Amino acid sequence: TQLLEQSPQFLSIQEGENLTVYCNSSSVFSSLQWYRQEPGEGPVLLVTVVTGGEVKKLKRLTFQFGDARKDSSLHITAAQPGDTGLYLCAGVSFGNEKLTFGTGTRLTIIP
Amino acid sequence: DAMVIQNPRYQVTQFGKPVTLSCSQTLNHNVMYWYQQKSSQAPKLLFHYYDKDFNNEADTPDNFQSRRPNTSFCFLDIRSPGLGDAAMYLCATSRDWTSTSTDTQYFGPGTRLTVL
Repeated sequence: TQLLEQSPQFLSIQEGENLTVYCNSSSVFSSLQWYRQEPGEGPVLLVTVVTGGEVKKLKRLTFQFGDARKDSSLHITAAQPGDTGLYLCAGVSFGNEKLTFGTGTRLTIIP
Repeated sequence: DAMVIQNPRYQVTQFGKPVTLSCSQTLNHNVMYWYQQKSSQAPKLLFHYYDKDFNNEADTPDNFQSRRPNTSFCFLDIRSPGLGDAAMYLCATSRDWTSTSTDTQYFGPGTRLTVL
């Protein structure tokens, strides 16, 4: 069973600070997705990374897929209260149609 | 425009009383998924359909059943809800298997189930 561990599990920081969330596995994934989920809502896709070493930017968010396609990181610059939410990474394995979700990081940005 | 719609958004049922949750999609996607998400946890896949082909996860309790009468609709039936079944239930769709493409899964807003 593939396992995606996210760290930290909880993170509470002041507005304007930078932060990095990690998503690690011992398994190789064909692609990896990051979602943000707000309370009472379904997860919303932020990005999909496919190539080892790939870096994608979405405004203040930077996503990186590890060279070996086993891990990923999400870096947020100058965090804002609107960034608050549950961040989930999810990997797609070769030959497996299912998403494996990470354990989640609950982020709170304090104004 | 909503693409994956779930009804109701909030459902309250009694212990042991059957309940049905509904999901519809306007994306004409082949694959539909049902997930269970408990508080502060990651979504857990219960089962999925590729068209009419049903795939049950090995650890999904028999208490949970699903129906997909057509491409647009999928239902989750909980035959005898227990207190431990209280959770957010998420429906998702994808055009094809996510492993064969970079297609993503689009999630609905979820139905929060309370069991009294």
